[in-house]
Amino acid sequence: EPEVTQTPSHQVTQMGQEVILRCVPISNHLYFYWYRQILGQKVEFLVSFYNNEISEKSEIFDDQFSVERPDGSNFTLKIRSTKLEDSAMYFCASRDRAYSPLHFGNGTRLTVT
Amino acid sequence: DQQVKQNSPSLSVQEGRISILNCDYTNSMFDYFLWYKKYPAEGPTFLISISSIKDKNEDGRFTVFLNKSAKHLSLHIVPSQPGDSAVYFCAASGTNFGNEKLTFGTGTRLTIIP
Repeated sequence: EPEVTQTPSHQVTQMGQEVILRCVPISNHLYFYWYRQILGQKVEFLVSFYNNEISEKSEIFDDQFSVERPDGSNFTLKIRSTKLEDSAMYFCASRDRAYSPLHFGNGTRLTVT
Repeated sequence: DQQVKQNSPSLSVQEGRISILNCDYTNSMFDYFLWYKKYPAEGPTFLISISSIKDKNEDGRFTVFLNKSAKHLSLHIVPSQPGDSAVYFCAASGTNFGNEKLTFGTGTRLTIIP
């Protein structure tokens, strides 16, 4: 069964550094998402992306965050200057059409020290 | 702003019995509801969904019930198996021409006792 793949599985970075989290969505999917889960908390929406542009973003997704689909397969989340509170599991998800389930990757654990 | 609530953080059920997980929502614009299962160090895995035009959807051992007037949904697992032990998240979305985000509840940790 096709799956969403995320790399790396764990990223450790120092505060103030830039990180790029990478995702390969399922190949025929059109809608792409980033979510995050801080330890012990709920899964929170960050951003949705469709037709090569952001369709919705949350309050968390401030100017330090950006997303890109540089080619036909990758979908990336960049954090320009990481903060301690950015430490979380980051999940990429995709879907092929409206009113269909989101398929999630296994996440990247980001640790900011 | 807890638009989707799962009031039971944990639930223990004997193997073979029925597990019932509950979820409440406050946003009347939600019209598509899903249940996800999550193991540690993995992403959420889709289990079952229901749209607001239905009040029940079944898939094998899993049944989701939706009570729109009460803004309540539940997931029934019967019979419960040890492999069902995981964290279960309820999620909801509203009509936004396909881009609608999912809003998740806080999760219920289900433990199946052999």
